[in-house]
Amino acid sequence: SAVISQKPSRDICQRGTSLTIQCQVDSQVTMMFWYRQQPGQSLTLIATANQGSEATYESGFVIDKFPISRPNLTFSTLTVSNMSPEDSSIYLCSVEGRMNTEAFFGQGTRLTVV
Amino acid sequence: AQRVTQPEKLLSVFKGAPVELKCNYSYSGSPELFWYVQYSRQRLQLLLRHISRESIKGFTADLNKGETSFHLKKPFAQEEDSAMYYCALSKGSGGYQKVTFGTGTKLQVIP
Repeated sequence: SAVISQKPSRDICQRGTSLTIQCQVDSQVTMMFWYRQQPGQSLTLIATANQGSEATYESGFVIDKFPISRPNLTFSTLTVSNMSPEDSSIYLCSVEGRMNTEAFFGQGTRLTVV
Repeated sequence: AQRVTQPEKLLSVFKGAPVELKCNYSYSGSPELFWYVQYSRQRLQLLLRHISRESIKGFTADLNKGETSFHLKKPFAQEEDSAMYYCALSKGSGGYQKVTFGTGTKLQVIP
């Protein structure tokens, strides 16, 4: 299994500002994933981040709004830019299992934009 | 497009009663189905996957391709089973790719 540390665990931010969420894994992984979970909604994949290449974004998500870094095989960041109240969500980092058949998750970042 | 449907947002059962959390999916290929669970104040974690055909914490789930269902069952609910349960689908065989989650069902076991 993989142990994922995600921080901050929660934050309250002013609209128009940006927040960077960090995700640290205790082992090297090829793919890292960022999800958003809006209140009462399911997890929605934002993007997939591979080390050494640009992140692949899902429909409805763009790099300008959610820039992602993946500097090495154990770390990634997701930035939520120019925040509005609609960005209030839980953001989750995830990695694939060794057998590529399950996902491991960070504890999530609860973001509130006021 | 792949889709996962969990029709119940909340399921309340008494301790000792049987539990069935419903999950239906739509996918044209051969999906890989999972159940994830999130206990209070804990992170989301894998409960079981269809390919393993295993029983975890007394829970089982059988993939029914004819009905495109992957319902999660337990014969006797325990209080510690209270949690959010998410059904998930991963396309591809044996490979972790894009995972689609259902909206989740909150299971509440009443003492």
